Parts: sequence; structure tokens; C-alpha cells
Amino acid sequence: AIQMTQSPSSLSASVGDRITITCRASQDIRDILGWYQQKPGKAPKVLIHAASTLQSGVSSRFSGSGSGTDFTLTISSLQPEDFATYYCLQDYSYPLTFGQGTKVEIK
Amino acid sequence: EVQLVESGGGLVQPGGSLRLSCTASGFTFSSSYMNWVRLAPGKGLEWVASIKPDGSEKNYVDSVKGRFTISRDNAKNALSLQMNNLRAEDTAVYYCSRDQAYGRGGYYYSVFDHWGQGTLVTVSS
Repeated sequence: AIQMTQSPSSLSASVGDRITITCRASQDIRDILGWYQQKPGKAPKVLIHAASTLQSGVSSRFSGSGSGTDFTLTISSLQPEDFATYYCLQDYSYPLTFGQGTKVEIK
Repeated sequence: EVQLVESGGGLVQPGGSLRLSCTASGFTFSSSYMNWVRLAPGKGLEWVASIKPDGSEKNYVDSVKGRFTISRDNAKNALSLQMNNLRAEDTAVYYCSRDQAYGRGGYYYSVFDHWGQGTLVTVSS
């Protein structure tokens, strides 16, 4: 199975900050990766697919980049509603695997 | 409006069985890949299983192979997860999700664009 190593596991940031979350795959997955946001008690929400394609309706402050084994999710200016847990998901091959998650907390 | 509604969760003893259901509406269910994803207490998201639109191909995470079975009834817009021989580590909120997979350059890209509200499965004696 492809392992997805996500970092950091948590971070504290302030409203307006620019933050970056990284995900590393254990093998080349081209650009076949998505990013998901989950808030407590809520279902996940897709932000990015194909590594850099913004899902319809998602704010442009979210962006994704990378290919091969290294990927990043960037939030350009953190908003109060962005405090949540973020996950990468490789869908290159089964079994699909998520990163361990990054909890973004208010500083 | 796309809606996915899970049901069937509950408390079950180790070794027991449970069947989760997900009723879909607002989209062409028979054309959609569907998945189950779970979130265990204090843990991260884990993809559990997926099924092709026509039900001809199913995939599972290794930890549930031989114990869980994903199935669908396209006539009833229904997705199911039969869970047998349940273990404490299967305790989680289970979500069904639609995958708006698309092809590009010979590869398929998943987009889990709609999710149910989740149903809690607790495995405990």
C-alpha cells in the first residue's frame, strides 16, 4: 500500500496567516492526489483534486501543488472558518490512503 | 440536491455483525462510484471500501478484507456495507461518499464530492 506522510500533525496560526501543509507519498503517484477538510462532527469536504485543481465552490485562498511524491496545500490567508483538520488522499492505486491529518488551530 | 443518508450504526459486541446502509438521492446513482470512509475516535480518516457503478469491481482496505462486503442496489439507489466479525478497532463513524471520478491522460482522478452525515459503529462488550 502507498503510504502518505503528512506534516505537520498540528499547527497553530493566526487569522490572516499563510500556512502550508505537506504530504509525501511512498512512491510516485503522479498528480493523483486530493486534499480534504474536516471539522469536528462534520463530514469531510473536498478542497483540491488532481493535486492542484480547485473544487468548484471552494475559496481561491486554497491552493495545491506538487507531483510525483511531494505535495503541498497552501492557505493564503487563514480565515476563522479554516480552523479544521486537513487530509491528503492518494487515489493513484488501491487501497486508497489518507495522510495522518493536520489539525490547524487558532494561535 | 445531492443527498446521502447513512443508517444502521449502533453498539455491537466483538465478533458480531452489522449492516450499514446509505440511501442516495439527487443524482444518477447508477453512474457513480461509491465509497465508505471511516473516522475512528482520536484517529484520522481511513478509506474502507469502494464499488464501481455497475458493482462489478470492489476494493477494500486490507484490515477489513474477508470481513466487510460493499454492495449496491442501483434500482433502489442504495449502498450497503455488511460488516462481520467486528473488532474493537472497527469502532468509528462511517461515511458513505460519492466519487465523481473522471479520466484524464489515461488516469482516473477521484473527487469525493458528497458525503453523508455519518453513522457511528461501536464495537464493545
